[in-house]
Amino acid sequence: EPEVTQTPSHQVTQMGQEVILRCVPISNHLYFYWYRQILGQKVEFLVSFYNNEISEKSEIFDDQFSVERPDGSNFTLKIRSTKLEDSAMYFCASSEGGGEKLFFGSGTQLSVL
Amino acid sequence: GESVGLHLPTLSVQEGDNSIINCAYSNSASDYFIWYKQESGKGPQFIIDIRSNMDKRQGQRVTVLLNKTVKHLSLQIAATQPGDSAVYFCAEFYDYKLSFGAGTTVTVRA
Repeated sequence: EPEVTQTPSHQVTQMGQEVILRCVPISNHLYFYWYRQILGQKVEFLVSFYNNEISEKSEIFDDQFSVERPDGSNFTLKIRSTKLEDSAMYFCASSEGGGEKLFFGSGTQLSVL
Repeated sequence: GESVGLHLPTLSVQEGDNSIINCAYSNSASDYFIWYKQESGKGPQFIIDIRSNMDKRQGQRVTVLLNKTVKHLSLQIAATQPGDSAVYFCAEFYDYKLSFGAGTTVTVRA
């Protein structure tokens, strides 16, 4: 069964450093998403991406965040200068169409020290 | 702002009993709803979905009910098994994004 894959599974970084989280969405999907989940809390929407541009973004997704689809298979989330409060599990998701069910990866646990 | 939420943060159920997990949503314009299951250390896993033109949908051992009048969504799990222990989230699709509620932790007692 096709699945969304994310790397790395864990990332530890120093405050102020840049991190790139990587995702390979399901191959025939056209919509891509990043969500995050702080420990014990709900899953929060960050950004949606379609046709090589951002469709929607939340207030969490400020100028420190960016997304990119550098090639036909990868979808990345970059945090330019990490803060302690960026520590969370980051989930990538994809869907075949807009308004269709999202399939999630297993997440990248980001720890900012 | 408007948000999706669940009535109870935790639910303890005896193995073999039926479980009912409730969710209240406030955005009347939402037209698509999904239930996800999240096990420890994993990403949300799709369980079942329903569109706003329906009021009931059944899957394997699960049923989702939608009451648009009171903006209420529920997930029923038949014959709950130990493998059903997880956090369950309802999510609503509105304005091109899927928004999650706070989650209900289901614990199955042997």
